Amino acid sequence: NAGVTQTPKFRVLKTGQSMTLLCAQDMNHEYMYWYRQDPGMGLRLIHYSVGEGTTAKGEVPDGYNVSRLKKQNFLLGLESAAPSQTSVYFCASSSVTGGSQFFGPGTRLTVL
Amino acid sequence: AQRVTQPEKLLSVFKGAPVELKCNYSYSGSPELFWYVQYSRQRLQLLLRHISRESIKGFTADLNKGETSFHLKKPFAQEEDSAMYYCALVEYGNKLVFGAGTILRVKS
Repeated sequence: NAGVTQTPKFRVLKTGQSMTLLCAQDMNHEYMYWYRQDPGMGLRLIHYSVGEGTTAKGEVPDGYNVSRLKKQNFLLGLESAAPSQTSVYFCASSSVTGGSQFFGPGTRLTVL
Repeated sequence: AQRVTQPEKLLSVFKGAPVELKCNYSYSGSPELFWYVQYSRQRLQLLLRHISRESIKGFTADLNKGETSFHLKKPFAQEEDSAMYYCALVEYGNKLVFGAGTILRVKS
């Protein structure tokens, strides 16, 4: 099992460009999450999904959109990237019964 | 709002010394708390959850509801313990609220 995978691993964007980050999990988890990790701020929840076809906002959703068309995939989109979105992005998944989340390896995004 | 506070950005100890990483929380109700660890260039992974009351890699953590704390402890630090440690609590919908993290450096 691959667990949680993320693509790409690294990306550099110019201000105003768009991109999509892909998260995939093979554990048949219902819940999936997108976080951003910034120095001194820990991980902050951007958006999450409690099942296929559903999404909800987290703590810092502005500037991001998400989609969960398939249970195993959770996409994070940046429509018009800004330097403030320079960060490391982590995807995670968990089962319905809750408890621990399983994390992907992260995507390091730089917006110039 | 639920909050997790890790007061130390960096904790530096010598090999063999005891380690205590502090975590305080604010939560209305019975919290479910975790410690996650991120080793260099690796993904976050679960270290401990308070309901399991287990010891992983020599680390333990006790939930103190009176002091609203969930400090992580290890009696004898090892160099391989050097990592970033995050304390987190669970919100409705199985969402995690993370503290800012503490870097543990174990010196030889």
